Amino acid sequence: QLVLTQSPSASASLGASVKLTCTLSSGHSSYAIAWHQQQPEKGPRYLMKLNSDGSHSKGDGIPDRFSGSSSGAERYLTISSLQSEDEADYYCQTWGTGVHVFGTGTKVTVL
Amino acid sequence: QVQLVESGGGVVQPGRSLRLSCAASGFTFSSYGMHWVRQAPGKGLEWLASISGDGRNEYYADAVKGRFTISRDNSKNTLHVQMNRLTAEDTAVYYCGKDSGPPVTSWGQGTLVTVSS
Repeated sequence: QLVLTQSPSASASLGASVKLTCTLSSGHSSYAIAWHQQQPEKGPRYLMKLNSDGSHSKGDGIPDRFSGSSSGAERYLTISSLQSEDEADYYCQTWGTGVHVFGTGTKVTVL
Repeated sequence: QVQLVESGGGVVQPGRSLRLSCAASGFTFSSYGMHWVRQAPGKGLEWLASISGDGRNEYYADAVKGRFTISRDNSKNTLHVQMNRLTAEDTAVYYCGKDSGPPVTSWGQGTLVTVSS
């Protein structure tokens, strides 16, 4: 079964970096994912597509502070130079034949 | 630029039906698959259904299979979802999304559906 696992929360200080993890279920370690950001009271915003080899393509206007990387079944989103507006929920998404799955989301708090 | 605008949300009684729409602009609508995704209050994103650009292929999450029907009108650049036999568990903000490969790369602002007597 295709499942994505995310930690519920993460925090870091203003100007610091934070690394979020999205783990693919067993047997799906080659799958690409996408990262989406959802700021409070807003709709989701696409950040990037991240492949198993770590290559990624970002959405329009996404700052260089957002980067992605991969290792095995884990997919990472690193936010550098944290800004107050980065305080949001971050969801990963993956897909198979006829199915799409979202992770449970990670709430990022900027201290 | 891509714009997706959902409509049709509101308060509906349990057991009743509701049809949501998503008006698309800024891209060649018929060339892209589309999705419906929802978010219950205080919860995460839940994929519901997707449809291919030509409308020939539809896919559904188990949670809504048999109750929800996704459709599109490429002549009007509009996506729909027909939701039947609604329950309180269907209360959520419903988003439409544009598929670019996958994944979803553009989102609407959402429309709130409240199922309550």
